[in-house]
Amino acid sequence: DIQMTQSPSSLPASVGDRVTITCRASQNIDRYLNWYQQKPGKAPKLLIYAATNLQSGVPSRFSGSASGTDFTLTISSLQPEDFATYYCQHCHSVPFAFGPGSTVDLK
Amino acid sequence: EVQLVESGGTVVRPGGSLRLSCEGSGFSFEDYGMTWVRQGPGKGLEWVSDISLNGRSAGYADSVMGRFTISRDNSKNSLFLEMNNLRVEDTALYFCVRDGGSSWYGMEVWGQGTTVTVSS
Repeated sequence: DIQMTQSPSSLPASVGDRVTITCRASQNIDRYLNWYQQKPGKAPKLLIYAATNLQSGVPSRFSGSASGTDFTLTISSLQPEDFATYYCQHCHSVPFAFGPGSTVDLK
Repeated sequence: EVQLVESGGTVVRPGGSLRLSCEGSGFSFEDYGMTWVRQGPGKGLEWVSDISLNGRSAGYADSVMGRFTISRDNSKNSLFLEMNNLRVEDTALYFCVRDGGSSWYGMEVWGQGTTVTVSS
C-alpha cells in the first residue's frame, strides 16, 4: 500500500504569511494527489485535485505543485478563514490513503 | 443543491454489526463513484472503502477488509456500509463522499457524517 507523509504537522502562522505544506508519497503516484481543508466540526473540503488543479470556487491564493513523489500546497497570503487542518490524499491505487494532516494555527 | 445525508450511526457493542446509509440528491447518483471516509475522535481522515458506478467493483482499507461491505442502490440514490465484527477502534464519524466524476478529480462532495461508537 502507498503511504503518505506530511510536514509540518503543525504550522503557526500569521495573516498575510505565505504558507507551504509538503506531502510525500512512498512510491510513484503520478499526479494522483488531492488536497483538502478541514475546519473543526466540519466536513473536509476539496481544494486541489490532480496535484495542481484548483477546485471550482476555491480562492486563487491556494496552489499545488508536484515534483516526483513530493507535493506542495501553498497559500500565498494567509487569510483568517484559512486557519484549519490540511490533508493530502493519493488516489493512484486502492487504498487511497490520506496524509496525517497539517494544522495551520495562529502564531 | 447537491447533497449527501448519512444515517444509521449509533452505539454498538464490540463484535456487533451496523449498517450505515447515505442518500444522495441534486445529482445523477449513478454517474459517480462513492466512498466512505472515517475520522476517529481527535484523529485524522481514514479512507475506508469505495465503490464503482455500477457497484460491481469495490475497494477496502486493510483495517476493515473482511468485516465491512460497501454497496449501492442506484434506483434509490443510496450508498450503504455493512459493518460486522465491530471493534473499539472503529469508533468514528463516518462520511459519505462523492467523487468528481472519477478518482482523478478528487472527493468533491461530502456529507456531514454519522457517528458510530463501539463500546461495551
